[in-house]
Amino acid sequence: EPEVTQTPSHQVTQMGQEVILRCVPISNHLYFYWYRQILGQKVEFLVSFYNNEISEKSEIFDDQFSVERPDGSNFTLKIRSTKLEDSAMYFCASSESIGAYEQYFGPGTRLTVT
Amino acid sequence: GQSLEQPSEVTAVEGAIVQINCTYQTSGFYGLSWYQQHDGGAPTFLSYNGLDGLEETGRFSSFLSRSDSYGYLLLQELQMKDSASYFCAVRPQAGTALIFGKGTTLSVSS
Repeated sequence: EPEVTQTPSHQVTQMGQEVILRCVPISNHLYFYWYRQILGQKVEFLVSFYNNEISEKSEIFDDQFSVERPDGSNFTLKIRSTKLEDSAMYFCASSESIGAYEQYFGPGTRLTVT
Repeated sequence: GQSLEQPSEVTAVEGAIVQINCTYQTSGFYGLSWYQQHDGGAPTFLSYNGLDGLEETGRFSSFLSRSDSYGYLLLQELQMKDSASYFCAVRPQAGTALIFGKGTTLSVSS
């Protein structure tokens, strides 16, 4: 069964450093998303991406964040200068079409900022 | 703002039936979904309601009343493996973000 994959599974970085989280969405999906979940809290939307551009972003997704689809398979989230409060699990998700109600989530990357 | 309310915890025994309620207040509504999450792992899709009424998928059913901004997830014949967090989520518009509730932790005991 097709699945969303994410690397790395765990990333530890120092405050102020840049990190890139990588995702490979399901191959025939067109919509891509990043969510984050701070430990013990709800899943929060960051950004959605379609046709090589951001279609929607939340208030959390400020200038420190960027997304890119550098090739036909990868989808990345970059945090330019990490802060302690960026520590969270970051989930990538994809969906087949604009009408598709199911989003498929990857296993997540646990980001720890020290 | 956008908000979804669901109970924080529910406990039940194996074989029982449990209902997890969700009320929502969002800027738009394109459907109510339910996701299951084990131990902080990937949320996995369980069920979706775009129209009023009951949707059944095996042991799980989900209900929606758009006029009441209310839905629930019904889990029957509970098993230990059903112990997890359950999130309701609303899509305010097609093809966009899911807005999640805070989640309900279900503990199933023998």
